[in-house]
Amino acid sequence: AQKITQTQPGMFVQEKEAVTLDCTYDTSDQSYGLFWYKQPSSGEMIFLIYQGSYDEQNATEGRYSLNFQKARKSANLVISASQLGDSAMYFCAMREAWMDSSYKLIFGSGTRLLVRP
Amino acid sequence: KAGVTQTPRYLIKTRGQQVTLSCSPISGHRSVSWYQQTPGQGLQFLFEYFSETQRNKGNFPGRFSGRQFSNSRSEMNVSTLELGDSALYLCASSLGGARDEQFFGPGTRLTVL
Repeated sequence: AQKITQTQPGMFVQEKEAVTLDCTYDTSDQSYGLFWYKQPSSGEMIFLIYQGSYDEQNATEGRYSLNFQKARKSANLVISASQLGDSAMYFCAMREAWMDSSYKLIFGSGTRLLVRP
Repeated sequence: KAGVTQTPRYLIKTRGQQVTLSCSPISGHRSVSWYQQTPGQGLQFLFEYFSETQRNKGNFPGRFSGRQFSNSRSEMNVSTLELGDSALYLCASSLGGARDEQFFGPGTRLTVL
């Protein structure tokens, strides 16, 4: 069964510093996708970044980058130059392929990030 | 472009009642997925609809059901509510392809008393 593990329940980072949020996954699929979402206290899930299993380059989106190590089955999120607005829950998720193009996301337990001024 | 909308945003029900939640996807999106988020179980997939057909289903009892209309709007129904059904219910829409990201709505917070 596919599984996502986020081992850091909570983290602190100083404003303007970089922070790495860990994510490891387990799957027997050769084709899969990895996502990171941010969930502020309002509850809405905000898409941050996507990495496909066959993508050769690590994904980057502005201040977000994904450190993808396929052999180690890890997909860590790096946030550079942290801002106070980055304080939120962060979820790593994996797309589980299921027939045709259907898919569902398997989520990790999340990491609560608090940015200190 | 309007985002995913969910109604109502908050709901309070009592045990044994039933509830219907609504989700309007982003215009042009044909896939709608539903997730349940609780402090104990985290985020769990309920089901996905694509072009009015349920394409995928999570491991939830039959009390949880859904449907999708021809305009891609989706409803989720929970019958015979239990205290454990208290959760944030999130709806997400996408174009439906395997690499397409899912855009989430703000969620409906259901409290069962």
